[in-house]
Amino acid sequence: GQNIDQPTEMTATEGAIVQINCTYQTSGFNGLFWYQQHAGEAPTFLSYNVLDGLEEKGRFSSFLSRSKGYSYLLLKELQMKDSASYLCAGMDSNYQLIWGAGTKLIIKP
Amino acid sequence: TAGITQAPTSQILAAGRSMTLRCTQDMRHNAMYWYRQDLGLGLRLIHYSNTAGTTGKGEVPDGYSVSRANTDDFPLTLASAVPSQTSVYFCASSDGGGQGGNEQFFGPGTRLTVL
Repeated sequence: GQNIDQPTEMTATEGAIVQINCTYQTSGFNGLFWYQQHAGEAPTFLSYNVLDGLEEKGRFSSFLSRSKGYSYLLLKELQMKDSASYLCAGMDSNYQLIWGAGTKLIIKP
Repeated sequence: TAGITQAPTSQILAAGRSMTLRCTQDMRHNAMYWYRQDLGLGLRLIHYSNTAGTTGKGEVPDGYSVSRANTDDFPLTLASAVPSQTSVYFCASSDGGGQGGNEQFFGPGTRLTVL
């Protein structure tokens, strides 16, 4: 079956670094997406990885290991506005996204 | 540009009634999707359309129908609502038929309660 696993909730301190992990099992693989979703709002795109390695985009970076079925999202210099849920999604062989339940990130001052 | 709009924003519906959730995008994207989001679960795909005139079933299609008469609009219809269809519904679109790294853009969502 297809499955995306990520932690339910994480807490971090403003100004610190946090890593949100995601493991995936999909029928075929066409990339791994990360989205951000603030409470009561729509998800918004953060990153896409299809090759192994690290993709850096400002304060956010995303890593992929296809052999391990593993990805992480790294958030640096945390700000209060980063408090949100972070959704991991794998794209299967039919180009459909399989979504994790999301990781709620709580930032404390 | 507006991107993707959904209507209504929220709705309370009596069980057994029918309802159509509207979704319109102005980005000329080929692919459109309907998801439901429930607490503790990931987004689940209900139906999708890779291009105008075609539709496909997602993970949880039962009780729902869609149509794609043109590029911009992708309405979702509940023929006879049941309480288990209480959820937040998101419409999304992407370019390129969803292939590759084309991100999906989401509408603001419709919060539906079926009593």
